[in-house]
Amino acid sequence: QKEVEQNSGPLSVPEGAIASLNCTYSDRVSQSFFWYRQYSGKSPELIMSIYSNGDKEDGRFTAQLNKASQYVSLLIRDSQPSDSATYLCAVNAPPAGSQGNLIFGKGTKLSVKP
Amino acid sequence: EPEVTQTPSHQVTQMGQEVILRCVPISNHLYFYWYRQILGQKVEFLVSFYNNEISEKSEIFDDQFSVERPDGSNFTLKIRSTKLEDSAMYFCASSRDREREKLFFGSGTQLSVL
Repeated sequence: QKEVEQNSGPLSVPEGAIASLNCTYSDRVSQSFFWYRQYSGKSPELIMSIYSNGDKEDGRFTAQLNKASQYVSLLIRDSQPSDSATYLCAVNAPPAGSQGNLIFGKGTKLSVKP
Repeated sequence: EPEVTQTPSHQVTQMGQEVILRCVPISNHLYFYWYRQILGQKVEFLVSFYNNEISEKSEIFDDQFSVERPDGSNFTLKIRSTKLEDSAMYFCASSRDREREKLFFGSGTQLSVL
């Protein structure tokens, strides 16, 4: 059974701080990794994708991938109250290059306090 | 910005009734998906659809479920005989050919089976 695990939180950080969100996955052959943001009662919104080991930066967001450790993380710099949401980690289900049969984690709820 | 649209936003039905959930994917996207999220649970893959046929489906997508693309724009999910446990938010998603694992989600249909 392929699994994606996340700490459900809530993770509470003060405004302006760095929020660090973590995710582990069980299937070693997974190739594509995504972070989605989901506000309460809304649909998931893609914010980052990462395919290679290392860091990928996009504005205030940095995704980090370590395939050897089967670990992916998301850093949010200068956190804002508007970043308060649940962050979903999603991993593609092999075979590699297949369509969007993503496996989602349960999500980490982030709360940014003014 | 183009978006995936879903109707209705809420659907209430009696157990055993048939429901059809409708989606209009982004116009230049070729891959279409249905996911669902039971309240407080993970986003779960149901089915993917490409070139007018099902590409992949999960164990959830049993004989009670079907999908159809009746014309060039709509993509529907039918549940033939709803059960209480079908109550969930159903999300349609689509992706384009070049980045087919980057899913764009619609706003969802909240299905309540009584």
